[in-house]
Amino acid sequence: QVHLQESGPGLVRPSETLSLTCTVSGASISAYFWTWVRQPPGKGLEWIGYIHYNSGTTNYNPSLKSRVTISADTSENQSSLRLRSVTAADTAVYYCAKVVHRGFNSGWSIYFDFWGQGSLVTVSS
Amino acid sequence: QPVLTQPPSASGTPGQRVTISCSGSSSNIEVNAVSWYQQVPGTAPKLLIHSNDQRPSGVPDRFSGSKSGTSASLAISGLQSEDEADYYCAAWDDSVDGSVFGTGTKVAVL
Repeated sequence: QVHLQESGPGLVRPSETLSLTCTVSGASISAYFWTWVRQPPGKGLEWIGYIHYNSGTTNYNPSLKSRVTISADTSENQSSLRLRSVTAADTAVYYCAKVVHRGFNSGWSIYFDFWGQGSLVTVSS
Repeated sequence: QPVLTQPPSASGTPGQRVTISCSGSSSNIEVNAVSWYQQVPGTAPKLLIHSNDQRPSGVPDRFSGSKSGTSASLAISGLQSEDEADYYCAAWDDSVDGSVFGTGTKVAVL
């Protein structure tokens, strides 16, 4: 069974950098794609981006691309999220999830099969 | 940023069948597979359906998915009180080279 656990500061000051870590057990961080998704209070889910360590592939939501970096640490079996220059609009529960990424007919089937419990990050002075 | 459109709410009485729609476009649902997630308030989303109509192990067969053209649907048959939750569709979008989520549907069991 795959288990994911997000960790990091619950409060970040405006204009600073949000940093979260996702510790994975039950699966190798280097063998799969891993993603980050966020959910502002009372709102829907927003995909942030994903990483595939072995291929060096990263993809980011165009609306966040200029501020976000997702990385992986194979020695710790962790994925990390950094979001720079945060504002109150970045207040959300941040989830990490394992990705299944495969060809499907002439397109892709990409879905998130295991999720962490989420980490609430509030941006406030 | 493309988004998949869902009705804000749906409801039914215990035992009824409820259907949730997910409307997309030629760059997402029409060419890529759809997944569905259930989120009980205060908890993380849970995968319900992947690859349009496939249920992961442990998901009751009361949940079923389908896709046609640029739209997809999730059906819940034999509605139960524990099905009260928010439901989200998702798909890969070729135009933005990323995943997109639906706007979410809150299901109430009356």
